[in-house]
Amino acid sequence: GQQLNQSPQSMFIQEGEDVSMNCTSSSIFNTWLWYKQDPGEGPVLLIALYKAGELTSNGRLTAQFGITRKDSFLNISASIPSDVGIYFCAGPSLEGAQKLVFGQGTRLTINP
Amino acid sequence: EPEVTQTPSHQVTQMGQEVILRCVPISNHLYFYWYRQILGQKVEFLVSFYNNEISEKSEIFDDQFSVERPDGSNFTLKIRSTKLEDSAMYFCASSEAGRVYGYTFGSGTRLTVV
Repeated sequence: GQQLNQSPQSMFIQEGEDVSMNCTSSSIFNTWLWYKQDPGEGPVLLIALYKAGELTSNGRLTAQFGITRKDSFLNISASIPSDVGIYFCAGPSLEGAQKLVFGQGTRLTINP
Repeated sequence: EPEVTQTPSHQVTQMGQEVILRCVPISNHLYFYWYRQILGQKVEFLVSFYNNEISEKSEIFDDQFSVERPDGSNFTLKIRSTKLEDSAMYFCASSEAGRVYGYTFGSGTRLTVV
């Protein structure tokens, strides 16, 4: 089945540093979604990407939909303590348009 | 901002018991979902529900699982005869028009089977 592979699996950074993480797939996705999950909470949508090559920002977050439609990256600039959490990429399954497939997540830890 | 509400936040149950996880989706949303996240792993799709019937389900969603919309506001997931491996966070989500980017997730119910 479809799989999304995220890297790195975890990151330990200093407050104020920029962060970059990415997501790759062996199959094409027509939509890429980036979610953040805080401890004990459900995923919250950060950015949605709909077209190959699209670059979208949401405050300090920037995400791009890869030209091949098989990858996407998420950048966070000038990290702050509340950026701590797990970041998931996701996309609609080929098996069903309503079904989301998630990556395994990138856990971000920030040292103050 | 409208929220998806899940209760309870944490449930502990003995193996073999039945549990019902409850969700109140956003009021004008028409599509409802359950996802599962085993500790430390990725979020996995279980089932989608529209117009009072299941529209899609995964291979995880076997005969021990069922969903119901018993009234105009609640959406429930029932797990019959729970197993140890059912221990996970269960997330309910809803969307207005069935588009994947329109999901709102609840905060989840942590189910622990002992």
